[in-house]
Amino acid sequence: DADVTQTPRNRITKTGKRIMLECSQTKGHDRMYWYRQDPGLGLRLIYYSFDVKDINKGEISDGYSVSRQAQAKFSLSLESAIPNQTALYFCATSGPGQLVGYTFGSGTRLTVV
Amino acid sequence: DAKTTQPPSMDCAEGRAANLPCNHSTISGNEYVYWYRQIHSQGPQYIIHGLKNNETNEMASLIITEDRKSSTLILPHATLRDTAVYYCIVRTQSNTGKLIFGQGTTLQVKP
Repeated sequence: DADVTQTPRNRITKTGKRIMLECSQTKGHDRMYWYRQDPGLGLRLIYYSFDVKDINKGEISDGYSVSRQAQAKFSLSLESAIPNQTALYFCATSGPGQLVGYTFGSGTRLTVV
Repeated sequence: DAKTTQPPSMDCAEGRAANLPCNHSTISGNEYVYWYRQIHSQGPQYIIHGLKNNETNEMASLIITEDRKSSTLILPHATLRDTAVYYCIVRTQSNTGKLIFGQGTTLQVKP
């Protein structure tokens, strides 16, 4: 099994619909992240969480919300999807400090029509 | 957070060493340099990181200049499977520890 699992892998949804992207990890790490990637661009941080009770906004949190249901689970929601939220979404996890790299999931390709 | 500058693209012949440069002139004394790569829309993959000494692992070598203002990632014998976008990232020192991605360098390994 993958260390970081994202579901669904692909999703097409209509404008105005609510959608949830799910992420689970088996690394035992406390820190989890959601990133967005648009074509030809680098990854941008949406939200991050350092433990179950800690949620923080990233660079581009408007239009998104998150839920940290457990140490291993971190969900991203689009309350009312819009076409410019069409992107590739990545979940990641990391340990504390400088010495542990991030582990990314395989991504969710979301299309809002 | 220290910013990084990378060339947008590079080519390398298969079997040759690929040397990817990165400038990080505003790096703080205790910030690490991380390298990740992303192969065709897959999740980014950790390659290597370092503070001030040169580092080597099974994937690559990292050379950091003495003043720490720049570094070079070396893939000693590039293969076609190394074609990817390579990101040089300076890890923030605050407790947030966020990875902030730039545009990266697209490395094309050619036969």
